[in-house]
Amino acid sequence: AQTVTQSQPEMSVQEAETVTLSCTYDTSESNYYLFWYKQPPSRQMILVIRQEAYKQQNATENRFSVNFQKAAKSFSLKISDSQLGDTAMYFCAFLKHTGNQFYFGTGTSLTVIP
Amino acid sequence: NAGVMQNPRHLVRRRGQEARLRCSPMKGHSHVYWYRQLPEEGLKFMVYLQKENIIDESGMPKERFSAEFPKEGPSILRIQQVVRGDSAAYFCASQPPFETGNTEAFFGQGTRLTVV
Repeated sequence: AQTVTQSQPEMSVQEAETVTLSCTYDTSESNYYLFWYKQPPSRQMILVIRQEAYKQQNATENRFSVNFQKAAKSFSLKISDSQLGDTAMYFCAFLKHTGNQFYFGTGTSLTVIP
Repeated sequence: NAGVMQNPRHLVRRRGQEARLRCSPMKGHSHVYWYRQLPEEGLKFMVYLQKENIIDESGMPKERFSAEFPKEGPSILRIQQVVRGDSAAYFCASQPPFETGNTEAFFGQGTRLTVV
Protein backbone atom coordinates (compact mmCIF):
# COMPACT_ATOMS: atom_id res chain seq x y z
CA ALA A 1 0.00 0.00 0.00
CA GLN A 2 1.06 3.55 -0.63
CA THR A 3 1.08 6.27 2.02
CA VAL A 4 1.65 9.99 1.72
CA THR A 5 2.64 12.08 4.72
CA GLN A 6 2.50 15.83 5.08
CA SER A 7 3.88 16.71 8.49
CA GLN A 8 3.06 20.44 8.44
CA PRO A 9 -0.65 21.01 9.08
CA GLU A 10 -0.28 24.79 8.86
CA MET A 11 2.28 27.22 7.53
CA SER A 12 2.47 30.93 6.89
CA VAL A 13 4.73 33.11 4.78
CA GLN A 14 5.12 36.81 4.14
CA GLU A 15 4.08 38.03 0.76
CA ALA A 16 6.98 37.92 -1.74
CA GLU A 17 8.95 35.48 0.41
CA THR A 18 9.70 31.83 -0.30
CA VAL A 19 8.15 28.87 1.47
CA THR A 20 8.72 25.11 1.26
CA LEU A 21 6.05 22.51 1.94
CA SER A 22 7.18 19.00 2.86
CA CYS A 23 5.89 15.66 1.65
CA THR A 24 7.17 12.15 2.13
CA TYR A 25 5.72 8.96 0.78
CA ASP A 26 6.16 5.25 1.09
CA THR A 27 5.93 2.80 -1.78
CA SER A 28 7.52 -0.32 -3.19
CA GLU A 29 6.82 0.84 -6.74
CA SER A 30 9.71 1.93 -8.93
CA ASN A 31 7.71 3.96 -11.43
CA TYR A 32 5.07 6.43 -10.34
CA TYR A 33 3.93 10.04 -10.44
CA LEU A 34 3.84 12.68 -7.74
CA PHE A 35 1.63 15.75 -7.67
CA TRP A 36 0.92 18.86 -5.71
CA TYR A 37 -2.68 20.04 -5.76
CA LYS A 38 -3.95 23.34 -4.43
CA GLN A 39 -7.39 23.67 -2.86
CA PRO A 40 -8.46 27.30 -2.27
CA PRO A 41 -11.57 28.17 -0.23
CA SER A 42 -13.67 27.54 -3.33
CA ARG A 43 -12.75 23.83 -2.81
CA GLN A 44 -11.69 23.41 -6.43
CA MET A 45 -8.72 21.04 -6.70
CA ILE A 46 -6.14 22.66 -8.94
CA LEU A 47 -3.04 20.89 -10.21
CA VAL A 48 0.06 22.87 -9.27
CA ILE A 49 2.88 20.65 -10.47
CA ARG A 50 3.59 17.06 -11.50
CA GLN A 51 6.75 14.93 -11.30
CA GLU A 52 7.45 11.63 -13.02
CA ALA A 53 9.57 9.37 -10.82
CA TYR A 54 11.81 8.19 -13.66
CA LYS A 55 12.86 11.76 -14.41
CA GLN A 56 15.71 12.98 -12.26
CA GLN A 57 15.21 16.62 -13.18
CA ASN A 58 13.00 18.49 -10.74
CA ALA A 59 9.79 19.85 -12.23
CA THR A 60 9.24 23.61 -12.36
CA GLU A 61 6.14 25.65 -13.15
CA ASN A 62 6.77 29.40 -12.95
CA ARG A 63 7.02 30.24 -9.21
CA PHE A 64 6.52 26.62 -8.18
CA SER A 65 9.27 24.02 -8.10
CA VAL A 66 9.85 20.70 -6.43
CA ASN A 67 12.76 19.00 -4.74
CA PHE A 68 12.32 15.35 -5.61
CA GLN A 69 14.56 12.97 -3.71
CA LYS A 70 13.63 9.49 -4.89
CA ALA A 71 15.93 7.56 -2.57
CA ALA A 72 14.64 9.47 0.42
CA LYS A 73 11.04 9.32 -0.89
CA SER A 74 10.70 13.02 -0.42
CA PHE A 75 8.81 15.48 -2.62
CA SER A 76 8.78 19.05 -1.32
CA LEU A 77 7.15 22.04 -2.98
CA LYS A 78 8.86 25.42 -3.06
CA ILE A 79 6.79 28.52 -3.72
CA SER A 80 8.83 31.57 -4.61
CA ASP A 81 7.65 35.18 -4.48
CA SER A 82 4.53 34.14 -2.56
CA GLN A 83 1.32 35.91 -3.51
CA LEU A 84 -1.90 36.40 -1.57
CA GLY A 85 -3.65 34.14 -4.07
CA ASP A 86 -1.42 31.28 -2.99
CA THR A 87 -3.34 31.04 0.27
CA ALA A 88 -4.93 27.58 0.16
CA MET A 89 -4.67 23.98 1.29
CA TYR A 90 -1.93 22.11 -0.52
CA PHE A 91 -2.14 18.37 -1.01
CA CYS A 92 0.66 16.07 -2.03
CA ALA A 93 -0.49 13.05 -4.04
CA PHE A 94 0.93 9.79 -5.37
CA LEU A 95 -0.16 7.81 -8.41
CA LYS A 96 1.22 4.44 -9.44
CA HIS A 97 2.34 4.20 -13.05
CA THR A 98 -0.40 1.69 -13.68
CA GLY A 99 -2.53 2.95 -10.84
CA ASN A 100 -6.20 3.60 -10.67
CA GLN A 101 -6.26 5.97 -7.76
CA PHE A 102 -4.47 8.88 -6.20
CA TYR A 103 -3.21 8.66 -2.65
CA PHE A 104 -3.40 12.03 -0.93
CA GLY A 105 -1.67 13.44 2.10
CA THR A 106 -3.68 15.22 4.79
CA GLY A 107 -2.74 18.63 3.47
CA THR A 108 -0.89 21.75 4.54
CA SER A 109 -2.83 24.95 5.07
CA LEU A 110 -0.74 27.82 3.72
CA THR A 111 -1.49 31.43 4.59
CA VAL A 112 0.28 34.24 2.77
CA ILE A 113 0.47 37.30 4.99
CA PRO A 114 0.36 40.74 3.35
CA ASN B 1 -14.60 22.25 -22.70
CA ALA B 2 -16.61 22.88 -19.59
CA GLY B 3 -14.43 20.85 -17.24
CA VAL B 4 -15.69 18.31 -14.76
CA MET B 5 -19.18 19.26 -13.67
CA GLN B 6 -20.65 18.15 -10.39
CA ASN B 7 -24.11 18.84 -9.11
CA PRO B 8 -25.51 19.77 -6.83
CA ARG B 9 -22.82 21.88 -5.14
CA HIS B 10 -24.59 21.59 -1.82
CA LEU B 11 -27.00 18.89 -0.71
CA VAL B 12 -28.83 18.64 2.58
CA ARG B 13 -30.48 15.38 3.55
CA ARG B 14 -32.21 14.14 6.68
CA ARG B 15 -31.00 10.94 8.25
CA GLY B 16 -32.44 7.96 6.42
CA GLN B 17 -32.93 9.73 3.10
CA GLU B 18 -31.08 9.00 -0.12
CA ALA B 19 -28.40 11.23 -1.62
CA ARG B 20 -27.62 11.21 -5.33
CA LEU B 21 -24.51 12.99 -6.51
CA ARG B 22 -23.84 13.54 -10.19
CA CYS B 23 -20.62 13.99 -12.13
CA SER B 24 -20.14 14.73 -15.81
CA PRO B 25 -16.51 14.14 -16.81
CA MET B 26 -14.60 16.26 -19.24
CA LYS B 27 -15.27 15.62 -22.90
CA GLY B 28 -13.19 12.73 -24.16
CA HIS B 29 -12.46 11.38 -20.68
CA SER B 30 -13.43 7.78 -20.08
CA HIS B 31 -12.24 7.38 -16.49
CA VAL B 32 -14.16 8.70 -13.51
CA TYR B 33 -13.09 8.62 -9.88
CA TRP B 34 -14.98 9.50 -6.74
CA TYR B 35 -13.22 10.76 -3.63
CA ARG B 36 -14.51 11.75 -0.21
CA GLN B 37 -13.04 14.53 1.89
CA LEU B 38 -13.90 14.64 5.55
CA PRO B 39 -13.28 17.89 7.47
CA GLU B 40 -9.58 18.58 8.08
CA GLU B 41 -8.56 15.56 6.00
CA GLY B 42 -7.24 14.81 2.54
CA LEU B 43 -9.19 13.16 -0.21
CA LYS B 44 -9.82 9.45 0.17
CA PHE B 45 -10.41 7.23 -2.84
CA MET B 46 -13.81 5.59 -3.08
CA VAL B 47 -14.37 4.14 -6.54
CA TYR B 48 -13.00 4.14 -10.07
CA LEU B 49 -15.30 3.61 -13.05
CA GLN B 50 -15.15 3.44 -16.78
CA LYS B 51 -18.23 3.52 -18.97
CA GLU B 52 -20.62 0.82 -17.75
CA ASN B 53 -17.92 -0.79 -15.60
CA ILE B 54 -16.76 -0.53 -12.03
CA ILE B 55 -13.01 -1.06 -12.12
CA ASP B 56 -12.07 -0.59 -8.48
CA GLU B 57 -14.45 -0.01 -5.60
CA SER B 58 -12.04 -0.89 -2.84
CA GLY B 59 -12.50 2.44 -1.11
CA MET B 60 -16.26 2.40 -0.99
CA PRO B 61 -18.21 1.22 2.05
CA LYS B 62 -19.84 -2.12 1.36
CA GLU B 63 -23.27 -1.02 2.46
CA ARG B 64 -25.48 1.89 1.43
CA PHE B 65 -23.02 3.23 -1.18
CA SER B 66 -23.14 2.51 -4.89
CA ALA B 67 -21.79 4.11 -8.04
CA GLU B 68 -22.46 3.86 -11.72
CA PHE B 69 -21.21 5.37 -14.95
CA PRO B 70 -23.77 4.54 -17.64
CA LYS B 71 -23.13 4.56 -21.35
CA GLU B 72 -25.07 7.80 -21.59
CA GLY B 73 -25.27 10.47 -18.97
CA PRO B 74 -23.31 11.38 -15.87
CA SER B 75 -21.73 9.18 -13.26
CA ILE B 76 -23.87 8.83 -10.16
CA LEU B 77 -22.77 8.24 -6.59
CA ARG B 78 -25.71 7.08 -4.52
CA ILE B 79 -25.83 6.94 -0.76
CA GLN B 80 -28.86 5.25 0.72
CA GLN B 81 -30.19 5.81 4.23
CA VAL B 82 -27.69 8.54 4.95
CA VAL B 83 -26.25 8.98 8.43
CA ARG B 84 -24.51 11.98 10.01
CA GLY B 85 -21.11 10.40 9.35
CA ASP B 86 -21.73 10.65 5.61
CA SER B 87 -21.48 14.43 5.84
CA ALA B 88 -18.46 15.34 3.74
CA ALA B 89 -17.35 16.85 0.46
CA TYR B 90 -17.50 14.39 -2.41
CA PHE B 91 -15.23 15.04 -5.35
CA CYS B 92 -15.32 13.58 -8.81
CA ALA B 93 -12.26 13.48 -11.04
CA SER B 94 -11.85 12.43 -14.63
CA GLN B 95 -8.86 11.37 -16.69
CA PRO B 96 -8.32 10.72 -20.35
CA PRO B 97 -7.59 7.14 -21.46
CA PHE B 98 -4.24 5.89 -20.13
CA GLU B 99 -3.04 5.30 -23.69
CA THR B 100 -2.70 9.06 -24.11
CA GLY B 101 0.05 9.07 -21.47
CA ASN B 102 -1.64 11.98 -19.73
CA THR B 103 -1.94 11.27 -16.02
CA GLU B 104 -3.48 14.56 -14.99
CA ALA B 105 -6.78 14.19 -13.19
CA PHE B 106 -9.24 17.05 -13.46
CA PHE B 107 -11.42 17.56 -10.45
CA GLY B 108 -14.90 18.94 -10.16
CA GLN B 109 -15.76 21.49 -7.50
CA GLY B 110 -17.27 18.88 -5.27
CA THR B 111 -20.63 18.30 -3.67
CA ARG B 112 -20.89 19.15 -0.01
CA LEU B 113 -23.32 16.76 1.62
CA THR B 114 -24.77 17.69 4.97
CA VAL B 115 -26.86 15.18 6.85
CA VAL B 116 -29.13 16.68 9.49
